[in-house]
Amino acid sequence: QKEVEQNSGPLSVPEGAIASLNCTYSDRGSQSFFWYRQYSGKSPELIMSIYSNGDKEDGRFTAQLNKASQYVSLLIRDSQPSDSATYLCAADSGGGADGLTFGKGTHLIIQP
Amino acid sequence: KAGVTQTPRYLIKTRGQQVTLSCSPISGHRSVSWYQQTPGQGLQFLFEYFSETQRNKGNFPGRFSGRQFSNSRSEMNVSTLELGDSALYLCASSTGTGVETQYFGPGTRLLVL
Repeated sequence: QKEVEQNSGPLSVPEGAIASLNCTYSDRGSQSFFWYRQYSGKSPELIMSIYSNGDKEDGRFTAQLNKASQYVSLLIRDSQPSDSATYLCAADSGGGADGLTFGKGTHLIIQP
Repeated sequence: KAGVTQTPRYLIKTRGQQVTLSCSPISGHRSVSWYQQTPGQGLQFLFEYFSETQRNKGNFPGRFSGRQFSNSRSEMNVSTLELGDSALYLCASSTGTGVETQYFGPGTRLLVL
């Protein structure tokens, strides 16, 4: 069974610091990976997607992928209180088969 | 471009009833996927429709069904509602070609009493 594992948190980070979120996945056939942010009572919003090993940067966000270790991470630099949310990691095995497999999310709290 | 829309946003039903939820994807997107989100199980894949055909299906009972129309709008139906069906139901839209990003609608929050 395909699984994506995340630490549920809460992860508490001071404002201005770097927040580091991690997930691991079980299906070696997974080809693409996504980070979604979900505020309480809202739907998931895409933050980053990553398909190749290495780092991908977009503004304050950096996604990192290591397929050999089956590990994905998201770094948030200069964390702001507005970054406080649940971050969902998702994996796609390709072609939409079985849909996205989501982790249960990490609850991030940025302390002012 | 307008985003993904879902109606209704909130629903209250009683056990044994049935419910139909609607999703309109982003213009030009032909794939609609449905997910159920609960506090205990997180986000779980229900099924995906592409060009009016169910292309993939998750591990949910047959009480959960769906369809897609020629304009790519999709409906999801749950029959014989159970208390455990209380959840946020999300639809996600994508072009449906290859590995790609899915964009979520605002969701329909269903409460079964």
